[in-house]
Amino acid sequence: TQLLEQSPQFLSIQEGENLTVYCNSSSVFSSLQWYRQEPGEGPVLLVTVVTGGEVKKLKRLTFQFGDARKDSSLHITAAQPGDTGLYLCAGYNQGGKLIFGQGTELSVKP
Amino acid sequence: DTAVSQTPKYLVTQMGNDKSIKCEQNLGHDTMYWYKQDSKKFLKIMFSYNNKELIINETVPNRFSPKSPDKAHLNLHINSLELGDSAVYFCASSRSASRGREQYFGPGTRLTVT
Repeated sequence: TQLLEQSPQFLSIQEGENLTVYCNSSSVFSSLQWYRQEPGEGPVLLVTVVTGGEVKKLKRLTFQFGDARKDSSLHITAAQPGDTGLYLCAGYNQGGKLIFGQGTELSVKP
Repeated sequence: DTAVSQTPKYLVTQMGNDKSIKCEQNLGHDTMYWYKQDSKKFLKIMFSYNNKELIINETVPNRFSPKSPDKAHLNLHINSLELGDSAVYFCASSRSASRGREQYFGPGTRLTVT
């Protein structure tokens, strides 16, 4: 069974701090996706990483795909209150289903 | 101009009742999904339809029955509701059933069974 383990599950930081969220698996994924979910809304795709070692940037967010395509990380620089939300990593398993990590609830205090 | 819409947004009902949740997408996608998000925010797929045909059917009680009248609609009917069915249910769609495709999620339906 392909599983995605996310850490940390909860993160509460002050505005301006940096943070990293990790998404790990013992299985290889052809690609991994990162979604962000705000309260009362559905998840919204932020990025898809496809190539091992790939780094993608989205403003203050940096996403990395591990060389072996078993893990990914999301780094946020100078976090702002607007970054508050639930961050989910996800990948398609061999059965074609999109499976999600447990999520990281980020709270950025002004 | 909402991409994926669900109704109702909130649903409060008693144990034993039967209820339906409706989903519509105007993105022209051919694949639609139902997900369940539990109280710990864990999101898990329940069903997937591609061109109105069921292609993913997770281990879900048969009290849950999806129906896709056309490619733009996917409804979820739940019979004999139980306390454990309380969760947020999300509908999603994608351009195809192939892996790597971005999925677009609706705003969710918060179901509370009392």
